[in-house]
Amino acid sequence: GAVVSQHPSWVICKSGTSVKIECRSLDFQATTMFWYRQFPKQSLMLMATSNEGSKATYEQGVEKDKFLINHASLTLSTLTVTSAHPEDSSFYICSARDPGSGRPRSYNEQFFGPGTRLTVL
Amino acid sequence: RKEVEQDPGPFNVPEGATVAFNCTYSNSASQSFFWYRQDCRKEPKLLMSVYSSGNEDGRFTAQLNRASQYISLLIRDSKLSDSATYLCGFSYGKLTFGQGTILTVHP
Repeated sequence: GAVVSQHPSWVICKSGTSVKIECRSLDFQATTMFWYRQFPKQSLMLMATSNEGSKATYEQGVEKDKFLINHASLTLSTLTVTSAHPEDSSFYICSARDPGSGRPRSYNEQFFGPGTRLTVL
Repeated sequence: RKEVEQDPGPFNVPEGATVAFNCTYSNSASQSFFWYRQDCRKEPKLLMSVYSSGNEDGRFTAQLNRASQYISLLIRDSKLSDSATYLCGFSYGKLTFGQGTILTVHP
C-alpha cells in the first residue's frame, strides 16, 4: 500500500510555543490529506481536511487560527499548533488517499502516517 | 444519536475463541466501510474493507447490513497477536471512526 510519513514522531515543548508537524506522501501524490487527533483511550477525531492549493476545511469546534494547515504541494501537508497549551497534548495523525490506487473513488481507503505524539509542558 | 456507536469492550477472550464486534452508523449516505486495527501508541492500519456481500480474509469475516445500518467483524480462532483495538470506519467523503473496541486474547 501507499506510504505516508510524519515528522517528528514525538515532540515535547513548553506552553506558549508553536509546533509544526509534517505529513508526506512518499510514493504517491495526495490532493487531499486529513488531520486527526486522538486523546488517550479515545477514538480518532477528524480535525480538518487539507486540500492542496486551497484552504483547509475544519471540523466543527476546531479553531482554524490555532491549528494552521498548509498543503503547498501534492506530497506535503503541515499542521502547526500555535501557542500550544497542555490541553493540546495528544496524538496527531495524518492520512491521505491514494487516487492512483486503481480502485474506484468510492473505495476511499486512507493510508495513515505513524503519528506525532505532542506533549506540552 | 452519535454518528458511530461501537461497544468499547474490553473483550477478554482465550486463545482459539471466536469473537464478534458490531458497529452502527447513523449516516445512511455512508459509501465505504472499514475495519481498522490499532496497536497501542501506533497509527491505525486497515484490516479489511466491508462489502455488501460480506467478505472474508482468513480468520476474519466482515459483514455489512445497510438496512439496519451496521457492520460486524468476526474473528475466529483468536491468536495472542490479535490483541489490539479495533476501529470501525465509515466514509462519505470523510472517514469517521467509532470509539474502538479493545480486544485482549489471553493464553
